[in-house]
Amino acid sequence: KAGVTQTPRYLIKTRGQQVTLSCSPISGHRSVSWYQQTPGQGLQFLFEYFSETQRNKGNFPGRFSGRQFSNSRSEMNVSTLELGDSALYLCASRPGLAGTDTQYFGPGTRLTVL
Amino acid sequence: AQTVTQSQPEMSVQEAETVTLSCTYDTSESDYYLFWYKQPPSRQMILVIRQEAYKQQNATENRFSVNFQKAAKSFSLKISDSQLGDAAMYFCAYRSAEKNNDMRFGAGTRLTVKP
Repeated sequence: KAGVTQTPRYLIKTRGQQVTLSCSPISGHRSVSWYQQTPGQGLQFLFEYFSETQRNKGNFPGRFSGRQFSNSRSEMNVSTLELGDSALYLCASRPGLAGTDTQYFGPGTRLTVL
Repeated sequence: AQTVTQSQPEMSVQEAETVTLSCTYDTSESDYYLFWYKQPPSRQMILVIRQEAYKQQNATENRFSVNFQKAAKSFSLKISDSQLGDAAMYFCAYRSAEKNNDMRFGAGTRLTVKP
């Protein structure tokens, strides 16, 4: 099976712009989670989607939003970019919502905000 | 809220030797799952090993094993016969068994393997 893919891999934006990141989960996986990884804050949970519904949300401002499509692909949007949004954004998929389900991570999208 | 602590920002080990990475967590729950993930430089994060809290037996995966001490809320990772390819950031993670269970990660430990 193909792994989790994320596009684009690298992105450079300026403050105030908005950005959309895409994630394609492993075939058959219905849950997609998003994380922000920075050197200072480590890995922080953004949100998780399952069957097109947001199931859980981390402690991020409303500028961060996401959605999931019927084919389980997910997009994450960040509006009004700030310098502090520069990070590696990781997407992870798993089959369902069971605690035992292993999450498989994508390679990430490196976002730089200038 | 559950928190995960990795007290060793960096560790190094000689090739072929054994190293142990520490992880502690704070929770009031009795049922949960613990994970160790590995993130090699510029590469994808992959699962190393997983432990269910209700299982007393420590999980093992080839050269990787854990020491799970539920009462102490400790979950250390032991890497035996270290190889150059083991060099990576290692993250300890916690997930509740309850619904809407997001995964909480520690800050990570950077492991260097010396030839």
